[in-house]
Amino acid sequence: DTGVSQDPRHKITKRGQNVTFRCDPISEHNRLYWYRQTLGQGPEFLTYFQNEAQLEKSRLLSDRFSAERPKGSFSTLEIQRTEQGDSAMYLCATAATGSLGYTFGSGTRLTVV
Amino acid sequence: GQSLEQPSEVTAVEGAIVQINCTYQTSGFYGLSWYQQHDGGAPTFLSYNALDGLEETGRFSSFLSRSDSYGYLLLQELQMKDSASYFCAVREGQAGTALIFGKGTTLSVSS
Repeated sequence: DTGVSQDPRHKITKRGQNVTFRCDPISEHNRLYWYRQTLGQGPEFLTYFQNEAQLEKSRLLSDRFSAERPKGSFSTLEIQRTEQGDSAMYLCATAATGSLGYTFGSGTRLTVV
Repeated sequence: GQSLEQPSEVTAVEGAIVQINCTYQTSGFYGLSWYQQHDGGAPTFLSYNALDGLEETGRFSSFLSRSDSYGYLLLQELQMKDSASYFCAVREGQAGTALIFGKGTTLSVSS
């Protein structure tokens, strides 16, 4: 088990393009969270899955953002029609039921030009 | 609304003790957590307090007072490697509900 894996590590895209990120959790972790972090800020919650069910979604989340976890294992986060304001580090965190803390992946750094 | 307040920066010297405070205002409260993040790295879990009092884990301790909506992280015997950002985070709902993070405190440890 190598921890939470995110792919790609870096992504540069042109404004208006769609991008998709992947998160592979620790195998026994049934909870999966997506966060976004910009420089000098704390992680900002985007969405939460328990197994394959999306249980929580930030009210601040634009409808250009969508996430899936089809088989309760890996998850994808898609951003459609990217904007410069979407430039950030996108972090995936996972946890097992009863865990006190999250395990974060190293993130995907998105730059929209 | 929800808010977490913590100092933006703290500086200290090696071997010293530093306390990073966190006050919160949230609609619900199911515990206060602390995370450490080195530059360019992922946040890592440090501690969790659900009940009032002090939790100690090695050089790090965390305290919670629910009546004051206040907690702190205490770092003892500071080392250069402790230079990082420290985030407090609150869970507003029951198990599984997402953590809400503060803006973080940047700790700089000098020799």
